[in-house]
Amino acid sequence: GEEVAQTPKHLVRGEGQKAKLYCAPIKGHSYVFWYQQVLKNEFKFLISFQNENVFDETGMPKERFSAKCLPNSPCSLEIQATKLEDSAVYFCASSQLIGPNTEAFFGQGTRLTVV
Amino acid sequence: LAKTTQPISMDSYEGQEVNITCSHNNIATNDYITWYQQFPSQGPRFIIQGYKTKVTNEVASLFIPADRKSSTLSLPRVSLSDTAVYYCLVGEMGTGFQKLVFGTGTRLLVSP
Repeated sequence: GEEVAQTPKHLVRGEGQKAKLYCAPIKGHSYVFWYQQVLKNEFKFLISFQNENVFDETGMPKERFSAKCLPNSPCSLEIQATKLEDSAVYFCASSQLIGPNTEAFFGQGTRLTVV
Repeated sequence: LAKTTQPISMDSYEGQEVNITCSHNNIATNDYITWYQQFPSQGPRFIIQGYKTKVTNEVASLFIPADRKSSTLSLPRVSLSDTAVYYCLVGEMGTGFQKLVFGTGTRLLVSP
């Protein structure tokens, strides 16, 4: 597709429940990025992929967060045993290349509310 | 990764030129400067990117002084639809940007 598609748009989970978010990058884009945006506009980088391989996972809280990008499937971000502080908007972005003048295209985000 | 500092908010009126300045005192040699725009309930959208001097595209201009410790995003003749949060980012684009590092952004409010 011509845009990054994220599903669902909204997700509500009780504390301790699992949450799974999906991202379909733009066709032909090799790089996928996940960000968490909390209050006051702060973005936190979580993880990036080059095709199905993890490129950078320095932002991932590894205890409960995991992510995958498998061939011919949407990428996914999964949170086991959600906590209240996981409430945020999770954005996925994709890019064709890395390097100068590379533009990352963002999806509309998934708003996760943990109650 | 270089940290950026921007004003928290700015106000303007339709038809005016808006200049948003970003400080990035510890910018590295390989770092590029990129600006993104975010509307409520949407993901950030790329506006412009530069390394030095001036870059212009159909929506904005980016001014970068010789020392590259700051940059200014210039929006000519803003309209109500330019009300958004504007983020200044710096990061290495040579061997690849592994990630974009966002600051807190500048909330621009354009009034009639």
